[in-house]
Amino acid sequence: DAEITQSPRHKITETGRQVTLACHQTWNHNNMFWYRQDLGHGLRLIHYSYGVHDTNKGEVSDGYSVSRSNTEDLPLTLESAASSQTSVYFCASSDWAGGDTQYFGPGTRLTVL
Amino acid sequence: DQQVKQNSPSLSVQEGRISILNCDYTNSMFDYFLWYKKYPAEGPTFLISISSIKDKNEDGRFTVFLNKSAKHLSLHIVPSQPGDSAVYFCAASDPKETSGSRLTFGEGTQLTVNP
Repeated sequence: DAEITQSPRHKITETGRQVTLACHQTWNHNNMFWYRQDLGHGLRLIHYSYGVHDTNKGEVSDGYSVSRSNTEDLPLTLESAASSQTSVYFCASSDWAGGDTQYFGPGTRLTVL
Repeated sequence: DQQVKQNSPSLSVQEGRISILNCDYTNSMFDYFLWYKKYPAEGPTFLISISSIKDKNEDGRFTVFLNKSAKHLSLHIVPSQPGDSAVYFCAASDPKETSGSRLTFGEGTQLTVNP
């Protein structure tokens, strides 16, 4: 069955370190998204991509970057982790044929000490 | 500027009764609305959606109502079951994107259904 996976599921890192969170989907979807979930804020969009080599900033993109070299993967990099980036991160994908419905991965809980 | 708002952080109902979750939005250009359900330690899962050309969409125990003039939508769950206990997110589609719409999410409402 097609799915979307994230790794690692849990990560503890130190302030200033570079961290990369992986997202892999086998839906063959063109669109991929990264969100962070924080209490009181819901899901906020970090970056998104509408296809290979396409990337766009979301509402909370500062300190994060993404690259899209193939259809299946959209890794999220925290260039220099900060305590404010402690959060739960969700990757999602969608396809134009499926309308606006996005399908989410299981999430990565990141703690920055 | 929070374009999608869920003003109730939590809601508690008895099993078998109706649960009503509310969502308000400010952007009149939103044209598609979705509800997602999220259990702890899992990703959100799609529940039900509605296009702006409709005012109601029903799927089993779940019905979404859209009032465009009030910029308000609601999710009704009848009858509520303990397994419905989860966080519910309202989301709206941004029509500015033509190749794959972004979603703007509300803050979420924690629904607890008591046996």
